[in-house]
Amino acid sequence: EIVMTQSPATLSVSPGERATLSCRASQSVSSNLAWYQQKPGQAPRLLIYGASTRATGIPARFSGSGSGTEFTLTISSLQSEDFAVYYCQQYNNWPHSFGQGTKLEIK
Amino acid sequence: QVQLVESGGGVVQPGGSLRLSCAASGFTFSSYGMHWVRQAPGKGLEWVAFIRYDGSNKYYADSVKGRFTISRDNSKNTLYLQMNSLRAEDTAVYYCAKDFTIFGVVPYYFDYWGQGTLVTVSS
Repeated sequence: EIVMTQSPATLSVSPGERATLSCRASQSVSSNLAWYQQKPGQAPRLLIYGASTRATGIPARFSGSGSGTEFTLTISSLQSEDFAVYYCQQYNNWPHSFGQGTKLEIK
Repeated sequence: QVQLVESGGGVVQPGGSLRLSCAASGFTFSSYGMHWVRQAPGKGLEWVAFIRYDGSNKYYADSVKGRFTISRDNSKNTLYLQMNSLRAEDTAVYYCAKDFTIFGVVPYYFDYWGQGTLVTVSS
């Protein structure tokens, strides 16, 4: 099974600043990587798929990059509604696997 | 709009059984694969099972293989998860989620999620 490792576990950023979240795969997953956002008490929401394609309705301040084993989710100019937990997920190999999450909190 | 509504959660004793349902609307249910994903209290996400759009292929996480069965009724736009031999470690919120790819033969990622139903396994 491919192990997905996210860093940092917690990221403290001020509103209006940029946040950079990392996700590393234990072996190559090509570009078969998705990012999800989860707020307390809510279901996850798809943000990015194919490593860099924004899902429908996702603001342009969210961007994804990377391929192979190293991936990044960047949120430019953080808004109050962006503070949440973010998960990466690989869908290149079975079974699909998630990272453990990065909590983005207000500094 | 796409809606997924789970039901059937509750408290069950270790070794017991429970069947979850997920009622789908707002899309052509019979054209998409469906997943169950769970989240233990305060923990991350764990994919549980996938069923192809026509029900012909099913995949399971090792942690539930042989105990859980995913199924679907396309005439009722409903997804199911039969959970047997439940353990304390199965305690979680269970989400049903729609696969992104129409007529996909293998699972991809999840573009819509339900709000989840809580399963608690405790004596």
